[in-house]
Amino acid sequence: ETGVTQSPTHLIKTRGQQVTLRCSSQSGHNTVSWYQQALGQGPQFIFQYYREEENGRGNFPPRFSGLQFPNYSSELNVNALELDDSALYLCASSEGQGGYEQYFGPGTRLTVT
Amino acid sequence: GDSVTQMEGPVTLSEEAFLTINCTYTATGYPSLFWYVQYPGEGLQLLLKATKADDKGSNKGFEATYRKETTSFHLEKGSVQVSDSAVYFCALGANNAGNMLTFGGGTRLMVKP
Repeated sequence: ETGVTQSPTHLIKTRGQQVTLRCSSQSGHNTVSWYQQALGQGPQFIFQYYREEENGRGNFPPRFSGLQFPNYSSELNVNALELDDSALYLCASSEGQGGYEQYFGPGTRLTVT
Repeated sequence: GDSVTQMEGPVTLSEEAFLTINCTYTATGYPSLFWYVQYPGEGLQLLLKATKADDKGSNKGFEATYRKETTSFHLEKGSVQVSDSAVYFCALGANNAGNMLTFGGGTRLMVKP
């Protein structure tokens, strides 16, 4: 069974640029959630996708957007990057719309300079 | 809104010592409760969970009991090992905003030989 994978591992961008992060969900899971983890803090929920539709959103501005594909993989897009967007971005997959038991990938470390 | 409060770290223990990491929560309704562990440079791993009051979650020698009357979910282990050194996150899952997980700030555990 393949776990959750994310790419790239590390990324450095300049303020104002755009970035796309990718996630492949665990086999059999149709729900993907994205979290932002700033250094030394707990993860913060960005949004969740279930069967290609956004299924809930945390307190993040619209420049954070996402997609889920028919194979349940997902992308997180961030436009107009700000310095405070520097963080570890975690993807988690789960089974079903009510799946709280989420399995996390290793994350993408984004640095904005 | 929902929130999770954990004891601040770091917690430094000698090998074979008893571990307690306190976690309390605020939530409407009846959330599920989780402990996740994050090893250096990695994503989060689900350690244990409890879905209703008085449930006890356990895994790898760690235990936590869902206490509705005290809104707590304290993590315990009878004898810690050096390999348990990591950051531990308490989280709750409630049916709002897309089944998001709300995390505490994390507690770093350091176990010395």
